[in-house]
Amino acid sequence: QKEVEQNSGPLSVPEGAIASLNCTYSDRGSQSFFWYRQYSGKSPELIMFIYSNGDKEDGRFTAQLNKASQYVSLLIRDSQPSDSATYLCAVVSGTYKYIFGTGTRLKVLA
Amino acid sequence: SAVISQKPSRDICQRGTSLTIQCQVDSQVTMMFWYRQQPGQSLTLIATANQGSEATYESGFVIDKFPISRPNLTFSTLTVSNMSPEDSSIYLCSVPGGGSSYNEQFFGPGTRLTVL
Repeated sequence: QKEVEQNSGPLSVPEGAIASLNCTYSDRGSQSFFWYRQYSGKSPELIMFIYSNGDKEDGRFTAQLNKASQYVSLLIRDSQPSDSATYLCAVVSGTYKYIFGTGTRLKVLA
Repeated sequence: SAVISQKPSRDICQRGTSLTIQCQVDSQVTMMFWYRQQPGQSLTLIATANQGSEATYESGFVIDKFPISRPNLTFSTLTVSNMSPEDSSIYLCSVPGGGSSYNEQFFGPGTRLTVL
């Protein structure tokens, strides 16, 4: 059974701080890794994807991948109250075969 | 990314009835995906809908319960049949991002279904 694990939270950070969201996965054959943001009552919105080891930066967001440790993370710098949402990690094994984690709820405190 | 719409956006249904959810995309896509998100849970893939062929269902989902149509490259429907309260969920369709080899998907706004 392929699994993706996330801490459900809530993760509370003060405004302006760095939020660190973590995800582990079980399938070593996983090829692509995605972070989605989901506001309450809304559908998931793609934030970033990463497919090779190391860091990938996009604005305030940095995705980090370590395939040896089967670990992917998302850093949000200068966190804003508008970043408060559930963040879903998704891992792809095979074409478009997404496996989602249960999500981490982030609360950014003003 | 493609613009995706779903109808209805929400519905309240009686047990034993069926509901058909529509998904419309503003561009042609080979694959469309249907997901379920139960309350407080993450997304689970129900099936992949390919135009011109039978849908491919994931383990735990069967065609009799969730029949899918894919009449063309911009449209698909998912029917939730003989509903029970356990079917209360958000149902989402998604499509692949265009021109990328990295398997990203984009989601429609979802259909919130409550079964009484």
